[in-house]
Amino acid sequence: GAVVSQHPSWVICKSGTSVKIECRSLDFQATTMFWYRQFPKQSLMLMATSNEGSKATYEQGVEKDKFLINHASLTLSTLTVTSAHPEDSSFYICSATQLAGGPTDTQYFGPGTRLTVL
Amino acid sequence: EDQVTQSPEALRLQEGESSSLNCSYTVSGLRGLFWYRQDPGKGPEFLFTLYSAGEEKEKERLKATLTKKESFLHITAPKPEDSATYLCAVMDSSYKLIFGSGTRLLVRP
Repeated sequence: GAVVSQHPSWVICKSGTSVKIECRSLDFQATTMFWYRQFPKQSLMLMATSNEGSKATYEQGVEKDKFLINHASLTLSTLTVTSAHPEDSSFYICSATQLAGGPTDTQYFGPGTRLTVL
Repeated sequence: EDQVTQSPEALRLQEGESSSLNCSYTVSGLRGLFWYRQDPGKGPEFLFTLYSAGEEKEKERLKATLTKKESFLHITAPKPEDSATYLCAVMDSSYKLIFGSGTRLLVRP
């Protein structure tokens, strides 16, 4: 149980275009979903926290107008990288906590999306 | 400032050679400590959650322990398939995960 999927698994785009990444909880309902980015040989850095039906909370230094997050249902959150530039190239990973769990409940991670901006 | 430090950065073991990975932390209001395994190009896979000092959890060849300042991930008689990066994360008072930089483990046959 507690499976999280992401789509696409990798994407290559031209500078200036927008890219949407989907995160789905497959076998559970998720009140809260998180978006992280990971640079090579570095650890995960939290970008934003989203709760179903409300606006996402962004970490300091993350541009909310550049990284648009929508959490429209209890099983789906999307991250849109707008006007992507080469410095946005990274590994983006989402995670989710179960509806029935408390705030200290385990985060289950998706397989990640590799974004390359040319 | 909340901080998580993992050591060593990299560890090479022979198959069957037991060892331990360390995760030391400073956090105001620890709400939990989490261990994950990450394979190259994949998302982290959940292993353990520890909530209070003295707690221990086991899963196959892995055993995690927690004190007030650090956690250890003990690997007993590792196999090549245990090769991965092991990530430690603490949940702070605002329920956010703060990750360490990980320990890259290589187990040679």
